[in-house]
Amino acid sequence: QVQLQESGPGLVKPSQTLSLTCTVSGGSISSGSYYWSWIRQPAGKGLEWIGRIYTSGSTNYNPSLKSRVTISVDTSKNQFSLKLSSVTAADTAVYYCASLQMGGAFDYWGQGTLVTVSS
Amino acid sequence: QSVLTQPPSVSAAPGQKVTISCSGSSSNIGNNYVSWYQQLPGTAPKLLIYDNNKRPSGIPDRFSGSKSGTSATLGITGLQTGDEADYYCGTWDSSLSALHWVFGGGTKLTVL
Repeated sequence: QVQLQESGPGLVKPSQTLSLTCTVSGGSISSGSYYWSWIRQPAGKGLEWIGRIYTSGSTNYNPSLKSRVTISVDTSKNQFSLKLSSVTAADTAVYYCASLQMGGAFDYWGQGTLVTVSS
Repeated sequence: QSVLTQPPSVSAAPGQKVTISCSGSSSNIGNNYVSWYQQLPGTAPKLLIYDNNKRPSGIPDRFSGSKSGTSATLGITGLQTGDEADYYCGTWDSSLSALHWVFGGGTKLTVL
């Protein structure tokens, strides 16, 4: 069974870049069976999709975040990563990584990691 | 404001049935599969329904999904107190000149 684990700083200063990594275990990120995705959730609010990447490096991003987001994949480490630039307090949220079925459904999720943007 | 519209809250008594609606448009639900997620307090979301009406292994048949036109519905029968959670629908959207995923705003289920 695929397992995902987010890691990265829990505190980021305004205007800086948020960087998170998701480590995949129990399966190869290069298998081609999934897209790999980032989703976030501000406290007390709903889910917001950030973007996805395929093993080839092909990406799709949320149009509202596209100018600030980069998702990359490192197949040698079985990891994929998120970079969100020029962060503000509005980017404070729990960030989840998840596997995305080809047909369109997030079937495996990480436990989530809280990132707070504050000086 | 979410592209997919869900009721903010629903409630029902233990043992009863409840439905949660998810309304969209032709750019999302109308032309794509819908999935549903359950988020218990303090935990990550969990996939309940995919491809409109399919249940992953381990999801009881008390949970069901359906889609008609530009709307989808999640049904839960035999309600249990453990079903109290937030429920989200989601699908692809092809508006804004780019394919992107959208979630509904979420529905809080209270089992009275």
